[in-house]
Amino acid sequence: TQLLEQSPQFLSIQEGENLTVYCNSSSVFSSLQWYRQEPGEGPVLLVTVVTGGEVKKLKRLTFQFGDARKDSSLHITAAQPGDTGLYLCAGAYDTNAGKSTFGDGTTLTVKP
Amino acid sequence: KAGVTQTPRYLIKTRGQQVTLSCSPISGHRSVSWYQQTPGQGLQFLFEYFSETQRNKGNFPGRFSGRQFSNSRSEMNVSTLELGDSALYLCATQPGLLGGTDTQYFGPGTRLTVL
Repeated sequence: TQLLEQSPQFLSIQEGENLTVYCNSSSVFSSLQWYRQEPGEGPVLLVTVVTGGEVKKLKRLTFQFGDARKDSSLHITAAQPGDTGLYLCAGAYDTNAGKSTFGDGTTLTVKP
Repeated sequence: KAGVTQTPRYLIKTRGQQVTLSCSPISGHRSVSWYQQTPGQGLQFLFEYFSETQRNKGNFPGRFSGRQFSNSRSEMNVSTLELGDSALYLCATQPGLLGGTDTQYFGPGTRLTVL
């Protein structure tokens, strides 16, 4: 059973375009993380969202946590080739449980 | 602070062999979790150790085991390797203390290839 669904699975866009990646679940999370991973490397943390309705911005990236803490979105403005990578969302049910559930990821390719 | 380190980075084994992977957490982090990442299954949780005790366990067979030392460093072992065990094995650490954050920080991974 896939508890976290990410969409789209693949995304190929031109430099300068905007995009949104979605992470949806029927479960409530205590927190949700977004990671970016490059081939052969471990995921690198981008942001943690904790409060329902929370919006966080990281330069051209905007992260939103749903009011019910079941879903999240990542919006990238004016994408650049350096944004290329695998974007993963991960939900934690229990604080400090050390066990996160990951979505399958969105593979983003930004063409120059 | 130094990040999470994993050794070795790459490993090639043959079916039936066993392998041990190592993870050193960020200083002060007492929780170490292990994940298996494959193209078909994505990131799958193996187990988590906190203060030398296994605190959580995923749905993997008993061939996958781990332990944690008093300095919080952790090892995972896979016995009787199968072709399907080929994957990127990631460890992730967090403070693990009550009232703390549940954000995990990942190491670079160990790429295991089973021939």
